[in-house]
Amino acid sequence: DTGVSQNPRHKITKRGQNVTFRCDPISEHNRLYWYRQTLGQGPEFLTYFQNEAQLEKSRLLSDRFSAERPKGSFSTLEIQRTEQGDSAMYLCASSRGGHGNNEQFFGPGTRLTVL
Amino acid sequence: AQRVTQPEKLLSVFKGAPVELKCNYSYSGSPELFWYVQYSRQRLQLLLRHISRESIKGFTADLNKGETSFHLKKPFAQEEDSAMYYCALSLSTGNQFYFGTGTSLTVIP
Repeated sequence: DTGVSQNPRHKITKRGQNVTFRCDPISEHNRLYWYRQTLGQGPEFLTYFQNEAQLEKSRLLSDRFSAERPKGSFSTLEIQRTEQGDSAMYLCASSRGGHGNNEQFFGPGTRLTVL
Repeated sequence: AQRVTQPEKLLSVFKGAPVELKCNYSYSGSPELFWYVQYSRQRLQLLLRHISRESIKGFTADLNKGETSFHLKKPFAQEEDSAMYYCALSLSTGNQFYFGTGTSLTVIP
């Protein structure tokens, strides 16, 4: 197990295009989180899955953003009609869940640049 | 609202000096508090959490519910401690996490 992986690592796109990112969590982890991080800020929570169910969504997640975890394993985050303000590092994390098991393991992130 | 505050964006100390990274939180329930660290060119990783009450790499942090603080301390800083440190709060359900803005620690040789 090599930990949480994310693809692609970097994405450059033009404003108005759609982009999709993938996250592969640690295999036995049933919880998966997406965050966004901009320069000088800490990670900002976007959404949370327990298995395939999306249980929490931040108000930061506008209707241009959608996330899925169809089989309770990998997850995708799609941004439609990208804007320059979407430029950020998108982080994925997973955890085993349950009391005392909330430690999150982070992926390396996908850096999005919207031109 | 839940919020984590790290008042220092940058902190420099000399090698061997004590270091304290401050973290205050606001949450009316029973939070779980964490410190995460990001070394240069590496991913975020857990340093310690309050429920473990353990010392990792010489660092300790005590949850003070009265002061709503979770400051990170180390008595003798080492050069390899130079990194970005984030304080994080989890709601009791573990459904959401809130991170502070981070403190960049530089240990001067």
